[in-house]
Amino acid sequence: DVKVTQSSRYLVKRTGEKVFLECVQDMDHENMFWYRQDPGLGLRLIYFSYDVKMKEKGDIPEGYSVSREKKERFSLILESASTNQTSMYLCASLLARAHNEQFFGPGTRLTVL
Amino acid sequence: AQRVTQPEKLLSVFKGAPVELKCNYSYSGSPELFWYVQYSRQRLQLLLRHISRESIKGFTADLNKGETSFHLKKPFAQEEDSAMYYCALTTDSWGKLQFGAGTQVVVTP
Repeated sequence: DVKVTQSSRYLVKRTGEKVFLECVQDMDHENMFWYRQDPGLGLRLIYFSYDVKMKEKGDIPEGYSVSREKKERFSLILESASTNQTSMYLCASLLARAHNEQFFGPGTRLTVL
Repeated sequence: AQRVTQPEKLLSVFKGAPVELKCNYSYSGSPELFWYVQYSRQRLQLLLRHISRESIKGFTADLNKGETSFHLKKPFAQEEDSAMYYCALTTDSWGKLQFGAGTQVVVTP
């Protein structure tokens, strides 16, 4: 049973702070993804990674960076948090094969004051 | 660029009534299409994918390439079907998903 965990369910930060969101998966999946989920907009891809130290921009990478030092861990970094980054952040992992489903973490609700 | 459109933000149906969630996509090739569901206080999970042509929890979805649609249907809605439903597609080998805005389904007794 695939398990994707995220370090925090709720996080409150102040404008300008550096924020780290951590995601860990235990099924040896190659691909990992970070999305943000906003009402009326659905999920939008921020970044994804297909291997250790490899990363690609998604649709909305501005203001974010990522790190993948180990296969099981994918971190999302907000270099200088802003109020418009208040959102639900979802991490997902995928076995790199066609037709496979993405497995999602429980999400982190980030509020930037 | 590919796009997924779910025209209904909210769908309210009575228990036992049929329910249909609309999904249209724009992509010139052959995408892989999915329906994901998020029940209250649970994580997002796969409901079904078009490649499997399966029925999950009574839901089915048919890919209509001519109309570029992938509507989700269930003949008799149950209260436990109340959830947020997202249509999504992927067009590349990385498996990146493009999601629609989502449809909130409320099934009332």
